[in-house]
Amino acid sequence: NAGVTQTPKFQVLKTGQSMTLQCAQDMNHNSMYWYRQDPGMGLRLIYYSASEGTTDKGEVPNGYNVSRLNKREFSLRLESAAPSQTSVYFCASSQRGAQLFFGSGTQLSVL
Amino acid sequence: EDKVVQSPLSLVVHEGDTVTLNCSYEVTNFRSLLWYKQEKKAPTFLFMLTSSGIEKKSGRLSSILDKKELFSILNITATQTGDSAIYLCAPLDNAGNMLTFGGGTRLMVKP
Repeated sequence: NAGVTQTPKFQVLKTGQSMTLQCAQDMNHNSMYWYRQDPGMGLRLIYYSASEGTTDKGEVPNGYNVSRLNKREFSLRLESAAPSQTSVYFCASSQRGAQLFFGSGTQLSVL
Repeated sequence: EDKVVQSPLSLVVHEGDTVTLNCSYEVTNFRSLLWYKQEKKAPTFLFMLTSSGIEKKSGRLSSILDKKELFSILNITATQTGDSAIYLCAPLDNAGNMLTFGGGTRLMVKP
């Protein structure tokens, strides 16, 4: 029973490079989320998907794009990475109205 | 704009002390409030509170919600070093989405 699986766990990029963070859940949840967490701070929502086929912006969407590929998978893409995007990224999923289950996080450094 | 404020920002106590963590919120279409504990990695779920005045309890941890005054508290009695973590609160809206987290309270329990 894997829960929420994120890949990669660590990534170092140079400014301007692109990458996609992958997230998959096996709990048949409708809602999926991408958050970022900067040192010493709480979680800030980047994008979320309330159901398959829909995505919505969160608090800090600039510089990111998302794809809800199917009910299981929700990917986050950085088209042109910037040092300000250095952060820990968490994917999460939930059944609507219930608690969130989090992936183990991706530590991203942009040099 | 939704707002969630946690206090104190950080707290240092000794084992055996009792602590009270605060979470105030201003959220459109509020449904529930959730508490999470975050150690080194992803947040783990503690409580979901939907009704005012009903205390939820799990071992040494308890929490209560006041929907009139728009706040929640998390109490930890007889603290242990294993309680050292960041404690996060987050509201769920009526659509069941978790869009805003508080900035967290960093608790350190010294032996």
